[in-house]
Amino acid sequence: DAGVTQSPTHLIKTRGQQVTLRCSPKSGHDTVSWYQQALGQGPQFIFQYYEEEERQRGNFPDRFSGHQFPNYSSELNVNALLLGDSALYLCASSFYDRIWHEQYFGPGTRLTVT
Amino acid sequence: DAKTTQPTSMDCAEGRAANLPCNHSTISGNEYVYWYRQIHSQGPQYIIHGLKNNETNEMASLIITEDRKSSTLILPHATLRDTAVYYCIVRNEGGSEKLVFGKGTKLTVNP
Repeated sequence: DAGVTQSPTHLIKTRGQQVTLRCSPKSGHDTVSWYQQALGQGPQFIFQYYEEEERQRGNFPDRFSGHQFPNYSSELNVNALLLGDSALYLCASSFYDRIWHEQYFGPGTRLTVT
Repeated sequence: DAKTTQPTSMDCAEGRAANLPCNHSTISGNEYVYWYRQIHSQGPQYIIHGLKNNETNEMASLIITEDRKSSTLILPHATLRDTAVYYCIVRNEGGSEKLVFGKGTKLTVNP
């Protein structure tokens, strides 16, 4: 049973560029959440996707957008990259059956903006 | 903001029990206590969660006080691989999907 997978593992981009990160949820999960973790900090919630819609969003600008596909996989897009966007981006999956069950995290994508 | 407070760091000898405390004095009746850990540069790993009863699984035990204002995560026989940052999180399962992480406790298991 595959866990949560993310790609790519590492990425280096230049300021102003755009980036797309990908996540495949754990088998049987239908919900994907994205988190940003700056060095030395705890993960910060970006947004959550359920039934292909953004259900909840954290305090992140519109430069951060996402998508969920019919197979429950998800993408995180960041436009107009800033140096401060350098972080570990984590994807977490779970499932919903009248309650939100525990989230399982992927290994993350390390984004470096130069 | 995180609704929990945890010590910044703790040490434990290998083979001994590690007891990690967490205060959540403003927890409401429908909020669960969750524990995750994060080994350096990896994604957080789910450990255990509970509402008011003590819980145990293959990784750890969770002891929640009767007034639910604090809890303790117990790793019964700590190993070097348990060195990680441990996060205590309160969450309403029926309401919000998101996890609000604080700074956690850096547990170092020493040989």
